[in-house]
Amino acid sequence: EVQLVQSGPEVKKPGDSLKISCKASGYSFTTYWIGWVRQMPGKGLDWMGIIQPDDSDTRYSPSFQGHVTISADKSISTAYLQWSSLRASDTAMYFCARLLSGSRRFDPWGQGTLVTVSS
Amino acid sequence: QSVLTQPPSVSGAPGQRVTISCTGSSSNMGAGYDVHWYQQLPGTAPKLLIFGNNNRPSGVPDRFSGSKSGTSASLAITGLQAEDEADYYCQSYDSSLRGVVFGGGTKLTVL
Repeated sequence: EVQLVQSGPEVKKPGDSLKISCKASGYSFTTYWIGWVRQMPGKGLDWMGIIQPDDSDTRYSPSFQGHVTISADKSISTAYLQWSSLRASDTAMYFCARLLSGSRRFDPWGQGTLVTVSS
Repeated sequence: QSVLTQPPSVSGAPGQRVTISCTGSSSNMGAGYDVHWYQQLPGTAPKLLIFGNNNRPSGVPDRFSGSKSGTSASLAITGLQAEDEADYYCQSYDSSLRGVVFGGGTKLTVL
């Protein structure tokens, strides 16, 4: 079974750094891109960026470029999303999802990681 | 403001048919890129519902169907059931933005 399992909820203060993870299983990790999607409380889905785990080729949405870093460790089939300095506005649920390249659809999705940033 | 435009909400009684529209532009659906639909039940992750405009993944009931024409797409749900109450999102690729784009989402209420 193809599965993406994300790390647990985080509570941080503004200015803190954070790295959340997404572990893949059930398929060849380096064959597919992995994407990250933000969902702010009560809002819709925002595409953040994607990474190809084999060579770490990364593409960012202009809305997130420079504020987050997407990375991957193919030796442990895990993708990461990290911040060097969190803001209160980063409070959201973050999902990872496998990108099926031909049609550019996301399937499956991880269960989500809730990040709360509050002083 | 989302690149793909969906109505914020739709509603229908059990057993009825509802449709959810998704309007894009010449740089996404109009350029021939596929549209996909996701269902997000309350408190859960989105789940792929329709892919490649009108294809259902294994396990998705045939009550759900999709279509696309030019710069617009729609999701139809027939025989509405209480368990269909969820948020629905369309998604495509945009060549001008060089990235994935989502609709703003539509909340389906089963009356």
